[in-house]
Amino acid sequence: QSVLTQPPSASGTPGQRVTISCTGSSSNIGSNTVYWHQQFPGTAPKLLIYYNDQRPSGVPDRFSGSKSGTSASLAISGLQSEDEADYYCTTWDGSLNGWVFGGGTKLTVL
Amino acid sequence: QVQLVESGGGVVQPGRSLRLSCAVSGFTLSNYGMHWVRQAPGKGLEWVAVMSNDGSHISYVDSVKGRFTISRDNSKNTLFLQMNSLRVEDTAVYYCANGRGDGPEFDYWGQGTLVTVSS
Repeated sequence: QSVLTQPPSASGTPGQRVTISCTGSSSNIGSNTVYWHQQFPGTAPKLLIYYNDQRPSGVPDRFSGSKSGTSASLAISGLQSEDEADYYCTTWDGSLNGWVFGGGTKLTVL
Repeated sequence: QVQLVESGGGVVQPGRSLRLSCAVSGFTLSNYGMHWVRQAPGKGLEWVAVMSNDGSHISYVDSVKGRFTISRDNSKNTLFLQMNSLRVEDTAVYYCANGRGDGPEFDYWGQGTLVTVSS
């Protein structure tokens, strides 16, 4: 059971907009910034969003992040087949004195 | 070009030890905190440990406290994870990633090294 809760799966058709939620508590998302990672099978994770809504250089602006209270969201607009991957949220948890990851969301492009 | 290269993984019996290394190039290790993150086969990511750039702050996930030790040699641009009293449930791909420093955390990841704990 992960401290951060993500839906196990999400799906959409090409061109659609999909959102992936990440729900936490006051000790983690409520008081710290959220990061999002993208991971393809057999490869290392890649940073997609940092500080809740910032994109590293090279990440398409189709990817956006937001945070409100104890929840965060990753939105992908103009969905493409190459976006089919696993997505993870992470943040610092002050009560646990450590970082926590969401359980991950497998995105399928139909 | 930034590169993080993990090594030291392998097959080990329960109760034994293993030491992982993460060799960093393309950035100055002493400017960054560093993480270890693992992923069990078919499972999600699990954060393991973090060490600040100067080693003054260290944190571990509860499941490895007292068994794993994170350390670093900034002069050799290398991060380590000493893993003792290994358990079957420690079986995973272990990644190193950058922590707090001259940019966002988790911006750089290694390719991972597989640790298999089995009798």
